[in-house]
Amino acid sequence: SQQGEEDPQALSIQEGENATMNCSYKTSINNLQWYRQNSGRGLVHLILIRSNEREKHSGRLRVTLDTSKKSSSLLITASRAADTASYFCATGSPQGGSEKLVFGKGTKLTVNP
Amino acid sequence: NAGVTQTPKFQVLKTGQSMTLQCAQDMNHNSMYWYRQDPGMGLRLIYYSASEGTTDKGEVPNGYNVSRLNKREFSLRLESAAPSQTSVYFCASRNEGRTKSDQPQHFGDGTRLSIL
Repeated sequence: SQQGEEDPQALSIQEGENATMNCSYKTSINNLQWYRQNSGRGLVHLILIRSNEREKHSGRLRVTLDTSKKSSSLLITASRAADTASYFCATGSPQGGSEKLVFGKGTKLTVNP
Repeated sequence: NAGVTQTPKFQVLKTGQSMTLQCAQDMNHNSMYWYRQDPGMGLRLIYYSASEGTTDKGEVPNGYNVSRLNKREFSLRLESAAPSQTSVYFCASRNEGRTKSDQPQHFGDGTRLSIL
C-alpha cells in the first residue's frame, strides 16, 4: 500500500506564482524524497530530507519536514512553464538494511504561461 | 552518460504471450528496481535487487519474474501476460549511501506495455 499521499492531486497556477504541494505519510521514516516526472519520462530526483532535518533548500525548491505530523511540503518559488510536471514524494524506511522507497500517487502541477 | 536504459520503449502483447523487459545502468550502482505505474496509483515496486545475485519481492510481484544478470543488467519477465499487466514499467538504480535508502534512485524513461 502507498505510504505517502500527496495533496492536492492537481494544481494549476500562473507563471511567477509559488506552488506548494504536501505529502503525508503513516509510519516512521528515515528520509523523505521528492521526485519530478515530466510527461512520458522517468522520475527525476529533486531533493532528499532526512528525518532529523526540518527544512532544506535547493535553488527554487524548499522542502519542510514535520515528523510529529508525519508530513512534508514542497514549495516551488517563482514557477515557470517548464515546472509543469507531476511531483511525487517517496519515503525511506528507518529499518536498517531496507532497500525500498515507497512512492505516493503524485501531484500534477500545471504552470500556465 | 546514458544512465538507466530500458528496452523496448513500447510493446503490445496478446494475452498469454511472454515478454522480457530489459534494463541496464552504467553508473556502477549496486541496487536496481522494477516499478509499474498505473493512472492514479503512483509507482508500485514489483521486484528489487540489492546486489548482483540477489533479488527480493516488492509490493506487487505476482505474475512477474526477474533476473539480475550482472551488476549492470536487471530484467523483468512476464511469463503469461494478462490485461491487468497493462502499465508503464520503470527501472531504477541506486548507489550505496550512509543508510540503505538515503540515496536517490535514478530512473529510465519506461516501457509502455499494452496487453490485449
